[in-house]
Amino acid sequence: SAVISQKPSRDICQRGTSLTIQCQVDSQVTMMFWYRQQPGQSLTLIATANQGSEATYESGFVIDKFPISRPNLTFSTLTVSNMSPEDSSIYLCSVGVGGRVGETQYFGPGTRLLVL
Amino acid sequence: ELKVEQNPLFLSMQEGKNYTIYCNYSTTSDRLYWYRQDPGKSLESLFVLLSNGAVKQEGRLMASLDTKARLSTLHITAAVHDLSATYFCAVDGGGTSYGKLTFGQGTILTVHP
Repeated sequence: SAVISQKPSRDICQRGTSLTIQCQVDSQVTMMFWYRQQPGQSLTLIATANQGSEATYESGFVIDKFPISRPNLTFSTLTVSNMSPEDSSIYLCSVGVGGRVGETQYFGPGTRLLVL
Repeated sequence: ELKVEQNPLFLSMQEGKNYTIYCNYSTTSDRLYWYRQDPGKSLESLFVLLSNGAVKQEGRLMASLDTKARLSTLHITAAVHDLSATYFCAVDGGGTSYGKLTFGQGTILTVHP
């Protein structure tokens, strides 16, 4: 299994500001994923963060709005830039552990963001 | 584009009853997950299903996968209140999208005495 921590656990922010969310894993992983869960909704993949390369973004998400860093194999950050109330969501990081055959995807505890 | 649909979206059960949640997906995949989410919490991994005909059981929950029908089921046996939560299925994109999960809408399960 994997132990994943995220900081902050929650925040209330003003529109127009930016927030950087950190994700720390207790083991080295190749790929880390960032998801968004809007209120009462399911999860949507924002981007994939690989160490040593640019993050790849899913349709509807852009680097200017959600810049991602991946400085090493255990850590990543997601920044939510120029926030608006529509960005109020839970942001979760995820990693796959166990090798390709036995892999399970684990999720961090999430960062609950409210934008006023 | 991979689409994942769950039904029902809302499920109200009496304790002791059995029921099944269905997860249909639109394109071939070799990996399907079931997760549980309690209010205000993150996702807890329940099952990973890797091959056609795979069946896994944990307590009162049993999950199965039919890759030919692109269908997974989560069967609840003799429900108890502690099972009340939201259940998600998620399908791995595979290939160049390996590791990228597409989630169903979620099924909100409420178990009543």
